Amino acid sequence: DAKTTQPNSMESNEEEPVHLPCNHSTISGTDYIHWYRQLPSQGPEYVIHGLTSNVNNRMASLAIAEDRKSSTLILHRATLRDAAVYYCIPSQNSGGSNYKLTFGKGTLLTVNP
Amino acid sequence: EPEVTQTPSHQVTQMGQEVILRCVPISNHLYFYWYRQILGQKVEFLVSFYNNEISEKSEIFDDQFSVERPDGSNFTLKIRSTKLEDSAMYFCASSEERYVIGEAFFGQGTRLTVV
Repeated sequence: DAKTTQPNSMESNEEEPVHLPCNHSTISGTDYIHWYRQLPSQGPEYVIHGLTSNVNNRMASLAIAEDRKSSTLILHRATLRDAAVYYCIPSQNSGGSNYKLTFGKGTLLTVNP
Repeated sequence: EPEVTQTPSHQVTQMGQEVILRCVPISNHLYFYWYRQILGQKVEFLVSFYNNEISEKSEIFDDQFSVERPDGSNFTLKIRSTKLEDSAMYFCASSEERYVIGEAFFGQGTRLTVV
């Protein structure tokens, strides 16, 4: 399993950009990088995923380092609703017809009004 | 927007009793999953299910656990004889494709309390 390292917590102000880093130095060449988040008292929620190129969607942007050993989730303008635990998850080919998500401790993002 | 629905939202049961947690995945999804999260701990994978059979299961998913898709819409997790340590949030998830090229949608969870 690819090991990930994320800061335990980060703080941001509302309306400001947030850069959430993740190190995944043992990632394999075929592993995608997924980001999920978990709002308080809710189930995990998909944010974005990518392989090599930077990715954008309506929620966030994902910047992937050229060597793929790290990535950064970018929230362009944080809102109070973005306060959550953010998980960086390399996908794992477990050899079967399905894949599983292995959640770490993630980064607790606090957004100040 | 389509969503995964779980019932009940909260279940209290006595130790040794059987419980069934229910999930309605998104209708066109083919892959189904159960995860759990003990209070204050990580989200843990339990089992994945595809084509009416288990694709993968974790060490947690022992003989006390079983999953079933009894009809075209429901996906259930049964715990035969609950233990205190089974107390947790249980999340159902579904995906149209494998995680690696798609996204998984999670339900809001069932909080299971074993007393």
